[in-house]
Amino acid sequence: QVQLKESGPGLVKPSETLSLTCTVSGFSLTSYHVSWVRQPPGKGLEWMGVIWGDGSTAYNSALKSRLSISRDTSKSQVFLKMSSLKTEDTATYYCARAGPGGFAYWGQGTLVTVSS
Amino acid sequence: NIVMTQSPKSMSISVGDRVTMNCKASQNVYNNIAWYQQKPGQSPKLLIYYASNRYNGVPDRFTGSGYGTDFTLTINSVQAEDAAFYYCQRIYNSPFTFGSGTKLEIK
Repeated sequence: QVQLKESGPGLVKPSETLSLTCTVSGFSLTSYHVSWVRQPPGKGLEWMGVIWGDGSTAYNSALKSRLSISRDTSKSQVFLKMSSLKTEDTATYYCARAGPGGFAYWGQGTLVTVSS
Repeated sequence: NIVMTQSPKSMSISVGDRVTMNCKASQNVYNNIAWYQQKPGQSPKLLIYYASNRYNGVPDRFTGSGYGTDFTLTINSVQAEDAAFYYCQRIYNSPFTFGSGTKLEIK
């Protein structure tokens, strides 16, 4: 069955770079696009960016200068790197896979706190 | 960039009532809209895609409608387990922008 699982550090210092990994199973990264979505505590969902099946990427314009999404298809992993972290980047970070329309499959999310 | 505006921000409904919530896109998105349900501590769950298609296993009391810029999610005969946040999202083309959400409380 389709599964996605996020992993990474729970605590990052301001100005540092966040690195997260989404490990997937049950499908091929070359057949489906995978997005990163985040949610600050008590707030709504924010789409961050996508890596398409062909490996191309697209980003939220508000984050584009700090964000990079890549993948390793042999390991079934998608990576997120975001630089120059601020306290307002504290959030639960999700990876999600496209379904028949929209994001049908989501990881459990990983909470990242930005604090010194 | 497309902006998705949801209304109302919150609503309090009794079990058995019918509820309607809205999502307005700042430009024509055709039928490229999805709706999600999110309960506290859980990941969002896809309810509706391409404006009116119910996802696998979603109860038929959930109905989506609309085209172009104005969309609606209707829940007929609301149940206690429907208490949650509901989000709309532009799909098919990026950016896959989310609306700010509607909180549904059950009285």
